[in-house]
Amino acid sequence: EAGVAQSPRYKIIEKRQSVAFWCNPISGHATLYWYQQILGQGPKLLIQFQNNGVVDDSQLPKDRFSAERLKGVDSTLKIQPAKLEDSAVYLCASSRQAMNTDTQYFGPGTRLTVL
Amino acid sequence: LAKTTQPISMDSYEGQEVNITCSHNNIATNDYITWYQQFPSQGPRFIIQGYKTKVTNEVASLFIPADRKSSTLSLPRVSLSDTAVYYCLVGDTGGFKTIFGAGTRLFVKA
Repeated sequence: EAGVAQSPRYKIIEKRQSVAFWCNPISGHATLYWYQQILGQGPKLLIQFQNNGVVDDSQLPKDRFSAERLKGVDSTLKIQPAKLEDSAVYLCASSRQAMNTDTQYFGPGTRLTVL
Repeated sequence: LAKTTQPISMDSYEGQEVNITCSHNNIATNDYITWYQQFPSQGPRFIIQGYKTKVTNEVASLFIPADRKSSTLSLPRVSLSDTAVYYCLVGDTGGFKTIFGAGTRLFVKA
């Protein structure tokens, strides 16, 4: 089966600009996650969707970050405006359901550099 | 939330067995322990998951003592390609939140 797809793979922008990332999860997976991974750190969960509803967005900086999964399939994460500290890899993952015992399948990530 | 503690880094040589221990003193009754592996420029990949005693698959073994306050990931006969970061995760009691720590950086030398 096809894995989690993400695009773009790399993005370079200047601070205060906007950027959007796209993720297409594995077919049939109800749960979709967006993580931020800063160099040298573990992934930090930004937002978790169950179908098209938000399960957890407690660590999403809502003043500048937004995410949607309108049809319960693919998802978009947006940053507006970007700050230097947003430079990181943004990982998308999906799982069949939302339980902590479910395996998460990760995409290759989008590496964002904010200048 | 069950917090996990792992060594920051470990070194090994090809062909050796590597054991990475994770401490999770506040693990809850319904929590499972899951390990992921991450290579540079890739997303994490599931390795193994367990609740108690021992679990083994084609990649690794997971040892969990009776008190479940720690767990040990065992990688038999590592190769250079096992150089990666290994994350130990413990499920939140609510069942929905996944928290990655800083992980253990394993360096396998020739």
